[in-house]
Amino acid sequence: EVVMTQSPAILSVSPGERATLSCRASQSVSTNLAWYQQKPGQAPRLLIFGASSRATGIPARFSGSGSGTEFTLTISSLQSEDFAVYYCHQYNNWPPLTFGGGTKVEIK
Amino acid sequence: EVQLVESGGGLVQPGGSLRLSCAASGFTLSNHWMHWVRQAPGKGLVWVSRINHDGSSTTYADSVKGRFTISRDNAKNTLYLQMDSLRAEDTAVYYCTRVSSGYNDYWGQGTLVTVSS
Repeated sequence: EVVMTQSPAILSVSPGERATLSCRASQSVSTNLAWYQQKPGQAPRLLIFGASSRATGIPARFSGSGSGTEFTLTISSLQSEDFAVYYCHQYNNWPPLTFGGGTKVEIK
Repeated sequence: EVQLVESGGGLVQPGGSLRLSCAASGFTLSNHWMHWVRQAPGKGLVWVSRINHDGSSTTYADSVKGRFTISRDNAKNTLYLQMDSLRAEDTAVYYCTRVSSGYNDYWGQGTLVTVSS
């Protein structure tokens, strides 16, 4: 099983600042890595697939990078609606498909 | 507009059964693999099961293997999850998701399953 480890668990950021979220895989997942945003009481929403491709309708302030075992999600200038929990997800080696434990982005 | 609407959740006693449904609209269900993913209260996302386009191939997480059965009826645009021998640790919101090129691109709003006596 590919274990996905996200850091930090909680990220405190002021509106307008840059946020950098990390995701590490226990073995290579190539670029088969997605990022999701989840707000309280809502379903996850796809932000990034293929490690760096933005999903339809996702603002350009969200960007993804990385390959192999190290990945990053960057939010260039945090807006109020961006405070949420973010999950990475590998779909390269399965079963099982695996998700990271999440990073909560909170207002500083 | 792609929509996935789950139903069938509720309160069930340990050892009981439930059947979840996921009604799909806005796309051709038979063109996509589908997954079920669950989320226990206050916890992260956990993959449960997947099914291929026509239902001929299925895969399960070890934690539900032998107890859960995924199926689909493409003519009715509906995905199912039959859950038997339910345990307290199965308590979660269950999401159906559409798969595109391996990743989950659309998610339903989820249905809550609570297993408790």
